[in-house]
Amino acid sequence: SAVISQKPSRDICQRGTSLTIQCQVDSQVTMMFWYRQQPGQSLTLIATANQGSEATYESGFVIDKFPISRPNLTFSTLTVSNMSPEDSSIYLCSGSTYTEAFFGQGTRLTVV
Amino acid sequence: GENVEQHPSTLSVQEGDSAVIKCTYSDSASNYFPWYKQELGKGPQLIIDIRSNVGEKKDQRIAVTLNKTAKHFSLHITETQPEDSAVYFCAASIQGTSYDKVIFGPGTSLSVIP
Repeated sequence: SAVISQKPSRDICQRGTSLTIQCQVDSQVTMMFWYRQQPGQSLTLIATANQGSEATYESGFVIDKFPISRPNLTFSTLTVSNMSPEDSSIYLCSGSTYTEAFFGQGTRLTVV
Repeated sequence: GENVEQHPSTLSVQEGDSAVIKCTYSDSASNYFPWYKQELGKGPQLIIDIRSNVGEKKDQRIAVTLNKTAKHFSLHITETQPEDSAVYFCAASIQGTSYDKVIFGPGTSLSVIP
């Protein structure tokens, strides 16, 4: 299966600032997604990253807060904007083919 | 949209015993059901999956069953070992379309007691 690399693996950020997380897949995937996992919780889908067009956001998530880019088939970024302590979470990138969905190791974000 | 429920939320078993985790889903169009294992500080790792045209699948000590009529699927781990201790997530997806997002259940924290 493909390997997903996420950068950074962790960060501590000041409230009011923004952080951009990068996701690189080592082979072509049909779909890329971004998830959030709050401490002790399950994974919640933020959005589907669409190549060359605006991402498709799930209920409760908006583009102004979580702008997403996907300039090509194997790379995507998620920005967490104007951060508050409530944004402290693990953010995970996922890639999907027609046979499997797989995940990166995640970015552990702490907002202080 | 799809909703996946999972039980139990925590499970403790003695080493060597079996563990069973059960899930239900709501969207009858879902056709792909992966199971993920997440260890502390790591991303979810796919351990086994099943598609809607199959009722059961086995891989060594792990097996999954699917009842499409009842919208139930289950994970069975036999001869459990301490390294099986982790959080397990079931999930559902509609694969083979242009919109195959994976929706996760709430997770089961499995502890295998040596």
